[in-house]
Amino acid sequence: NAGVTQTPKFQVLKTGQSMTLQCAQDMNHNSMYWYRQDPGMGLRLIYYSASEGTTDKGEVPNGYNVSRLNKREFSLRLESAAPSQTSVYFCASSDTLGTEAFFGQGTRLTVV
Amino acid sequence: QKEVEQNSGPLSVPEGAIASLNCTYSDRGSQSFFWYRQYSGKSPELIMFIYSNGDKEDGRFTAQLNKASQYVSLLIRDSQPSDSATYLCAALSGNTGKLIFGQGTTLQVKP
Repeated sequence: NAGVTQTPKFQVLKTGQSMTLQCAQDMNHNSMYWYRQDPGMGLRLIYYSASEGTTDKGEVPNGYNVSRLNKREFSLRLESAAPSQTSVYFCASSDTLGTEAFFGQGTRLTVV
Repeated sequence: QKEVEQNSGPLSVPEGAIASLNCTYSDRGSQSFFWYRQYSGKSPELIMFIYSNGDKEDGRFTAQLNKASQYVSLLIRDSQPSDSATYLCAALSGNTGKLIFGQGTTLQVKP
């Protein structure tokens, strides 16, 4: 039982490079989320998708784009990476009833 | 101001004591509330969720919800050193589907 799977686990980018973080869930959840976590800041919502075909901005969307490819997959794209985007990124999914929400293992991204 | 607020701590309690963690939220459309535990360098793991006013107990953990006061709490009885971690409170909006987290409270349980 995989749950929520994120790739890659680690990534180093140069300023200005682009990359896509992948997330897939196998729990048939409707909602999916992308967060970033910085020291002392808790988890901040970047984008979310309440259902297949919809995406909405969260608390800190600037510099990011997302795609809800299908019900299982939700990707996060950095078009032109900046050092301020150095962070740990987590993907999560939840069911519609709001009874469970699970996280992937995280992606540690460093932008130099 | 964040939609979900927690005291970042650290909260320090002796082993065997009750740890009380608190959280407030501003979106009255929030329908479900979650408590997560996160060890350093790890992903958050779900402890429990609550969506009805009152108390919900699961082993040594009790979640409390007061929608009128927009307040959620987590009590940890018989605290153990292994409970030392950051505890994250989250609120799920029934209107928007957003899942918003607080800053997290660091708990230290001293032997």
